[in-house]
Amino acid sequence: DTAVSQTPKYLVTQMGNDKSIKCEQNLGHDTMYWYKQDSKKFLKIMFSYNNKELIINETVPNRFSPKSPDKAHLNLHINSLELGDSAVYFCASSQDSDEQYFGPGTRLTVT
Amino acid sequence: EDQVTQSPEALRLQEGESSSLNCSYTVSGLRGLFWYRQDPGKGPEFLFTLYSAGEEKEKERLKATLTKKESFLHITAPKPEDSATYLCAGTLDNDMRFGAGTRLTVKP
Repeated sequence: DTAVSQTPKYLVTQMGNDKSIKCEQNLGHDTMYWYKQDSKKFLKIMFSYNNKELIINETVPNRFSPKSPDKAHLNLHINSLELGDSAVYFCASSQDSDEQYFGPGTRLTVT
Repeated sequence: EDQVTQSPEALRLQEGESSSLNCSYTVSGLRGLFWYRQDPGKGPEFLFTLYSAGEEKEKERLKATLTKKESFLHITAPKPEDSATYLCAGTLDNDMRFGAGTRLTVKP
């Protein structure tokens, strides 16, 4: 069973478009996260959600918005995509701020 | 500013050649120090959590240790399948700060 899953795995789109990446975890964890990994492989946290409340919002553009329909899902919506948004985006989940379990990643390419 | 720094950036070893990876941190109020392994095209995979200075944890050929300012990941007699990028991260509550990683290559 996949613990943390993301769709799609690859996403190629043009500048200015709006896109979403879905994430689901079946671990029963109470916190979910979104990370961005840039071309230099540096992993940086973007958001975390605990019981539908945003806990951390790093200095990301407001074109990015996390949406959590329920405890098991945290989707990432991106409006007006820019070239600099190209990266690999990882979803993760954890219980009680303990170790995080990561999804397989979504490679976003903006052309 | 809270920072996590890893060294070296890249490390090439012969199979069986033991070595250590370093992770130094300046995270105030650090709750835990985590080690992850990341294979190309995949998400990070959890390895260890260390919470207090002097703590050690082992898993197969890997041993992680923690002092007040840094952590080491010791790799004993590595095999080619240990080749990956090893990431360390410091956490305060729900904020996790990752280092840039050490890319390990083990040649047969």
